[in-house]
Amino acid sequence: DAKTTQPTSMDCAEGRAANLPCNHSTISGNEYVYWYRQIHSQGPQYIIHGLKNNETNEMASLIITEDRKSSTLILPHATLRDTAVYYCIVRVSNFGNEKLTFGTGTRLTIIP
Amino acid sequence: KAGVTQTPRYLIKTRGQQVTLSCSPISGHRSVSWYQQTPGQGLQFLFEYFSETQRNKGNFPGRFSGRQFSNSRSEMNVSTLELGDSALYLCASSLEPRNEKLFFGSGTQLSVL
Repeated sequence: DAKTTQPTSMDCAEGRAANLPCNHSTISGNEYVYWYRQIHSQGPQYIIHGLKNNETNEMASLIITEDRKSSTLILPHATLRDTAVYYCIVRVSNFGNEKLTFGTGTRLTIIP
Repeated sequence: KAGVTQTPRYLIKTRGQQVTLSCSPISGHRSVSWYQQTPGQGLQFLFEYFSETQRNKGNFPGRFSGRQFSNSRSEMNVSTLELGDSALYLCASSLEPRNEKLFFGSGTQLSVL
């Protein structure tokens, strides 16, 4: 699986959009981009995933650049409960023999 | 649906002992994977089970083992505990292996003294 690079930490004001970037310049054509988040003392929570088109669900939007070398997770109206560590992962979504690597993620702090 | 259940929530052991952690996946989920999380190393993959068979294994010593039962419940065992085994152990379940969505439990916090 391709490696990802994320900023170590970010702050965002409550009520504003939080934009979390992720670089995955070595991504290959059949690798998906996944986002999870982990709130303190809990297990990671799935947020969203995509291949090359932008995706939106009830939690967030995922914007993937045309060359697929980077992506941005958008939380449209951040709340204090969005304070967490956010992990960007790329992986092949088919049966195979590889491991899911979470990396160190971005610690997002929502400021009241 | 009930979420992924891990027991116990907290555990304290001493060096040299062995420990067994339990994970009950979401009903209908047949794939279970285990992760170790420490402040220094982050989330590291241990192993994945599907249909009672280990499908994938991370880079951990043989002291770490696991198994899956016919009802998809899984256990992991760590023998001859070391201080460095102190960590949060997380279990995740999914419908099938490599499924897009992993559902994690709250983990078992293991402290080795």
